[in-house]
Amino acid sequence: DQQVKQNSPSLSVQEGRISILNCDYTNSMFDYFLWYKKYPAEGPTFLISISSIKDKNEDGRFTVFLNKSAKHLSLHIVPSQPGDSAVYFCAASAIGGGADGLTFGKGTHLIIQP
Amino acid sequence: KAGVTQTPRYLIKTRGQQVTLSCSPISGHRSVSWYQQTPGQGLQFLFEYFSETQRNKGNFPGRFSGRQFSNSRSEMNVSTLELGDSALYLCASSWGSNTGELFFGEGSRLTVL
Repeated sequence: DQQVKQNSPSLSVQEGRISILNCDYTNSMFDYFLWYKKYPAEGPTFLISISSIKDKNEDGRFTVFLNKSAKHLSLHIVPSQPGDSAVYFCAASAIGGGADGLTFGKGTHLIIQP
Repeated sequence: KAGVTQTPRYLIKTRGQQVTLSCSPISGHRSVSWYQQTPGQGLQFLFEYFSETQRNKGNFPGRFSGRQFSNSRSEMNVSTLELGDSALYLCASSWGSNTGELFFGEGSRLTVL
């Protein structure tokens, strides 16, 4: 049973436009959410996170929104740049739970078209 | 500051063999976690070590094991390899928690023939 779902395996966006990546989760114990970015032949790198006590967190061009009632989060990238082309993983955890580490979605391959 | 280093980067084994992968965490990090990445399943948590003790374990068979040394370096071992073990094995380190921001290595790509 997948606890973190990224339903779009790929997404193509024009350079300069907004990229919106979505993630849904089922485990109500999750209270911390992260986005990781992965280039080919590299390990994932941390991008941005949000705690369940917030509904929005911004860092430069990246904003994560959390809707707890819908168990949904999204990552907005504005404006999208060619270097943003990568696979984006949504991850969730229960702080203090620890048993399952981070639970990852299967990733969304973002392609920024020039 | 050196990142997480994993060796070897690539290796090929045959079914039934065993393999050992190594991970050197960022200096000062005491938690080391291992993840398996496959195209069909994404990243799945294998186990986490902290101060030489396995603190958490994912849902993998006993063929998958690991250990951590006093310098925080970690190894994972897979015995009696199966075709389905072909994957990218990622190591990640952090100061203490395995549920927050993790720093990943580039991974060890294992192919089982």
